[in-house]
Amino acid sequence: NAGVTQTPKFQVLKTGQSMTLQCAQDMNHEYMSWYRQDPGMGLRLIHYSVGAGITDQGEVPNGYNVSRSTTEDFPLRLLSAAPSQTSVYFCASSPQGISGNTIYFGEGSWLTVV
Amino acid sequence: QQQVKQSPQSLIVQKGGISIINCAYENTAFDYFPWYQQFPGKGPALLIAIRPDVSEKKEGRFTISFNKSAKQFSLHIMDSQPGDSATYFCASARTGRRALTFGSGTRLQVQP
Repeated sequence: NAGVTQTPKFQVLKTGQSMTLQCAQDMNHEYMSWYRQDPGMGLRLIHYSVGAGITDQGEVPNGYNVSRSTTEDFPLRLLSAAPSQTSVYFCASSPQGISGNTIYFGEGSWLTVV
Repeated sequence: QQQVKQSPQSLIVQKGGISIINCAYENTAFDYFPWYQQFPGKGPALLIAIRPDVSEKKEGRFTISFNKSAKQFSLHIMDSQPGDSATYFCASARTGRRALTFGSGTRLQVQP
């Protein structure tokens, strides 16, 4: 029972580089999202998707891009990394229906931009 | 703009004691209030949740108390154990939105 799988676990980037954080879920959840976690600020929503082909911006979308070509995968792209994007990134998914607010998180991706 | 304010930032409790973490929200449209538990190096995991039609929900040693008029809710951990040492986040959401607004987190340390 894999749940929500994120890769890589750790990554160091140089300013200006681009990269993609991968996220996959095997629970057939329609809803997927990306959060970033910074000290003293909780988790903030970056982008989310309510189904394949549908994405929308969250609270802090600048500098990030997403796409949703399949139900299972929801990659997060950093277009030109900046030190302010040093953070821990969490992918999450949620099923439809009554339990739609129950959100399951991956184990996180630690990103350092130098 | 922080819509969910959480306190305290950190908390130290002796084993067997009661841990209390408080949250206040601003958006009256919120109608779902979960608490997440996060261990170091792991993602948050749902601990317990409440909807505003009840004032209290208990699951084992964990209890949520909810005060709709004050727009406040709190987590009580009874008989706290060292294994409860983790960071706790309150959150709020509107039904169906599936996007959570998180508090800033409370780092709980339970001393043996």
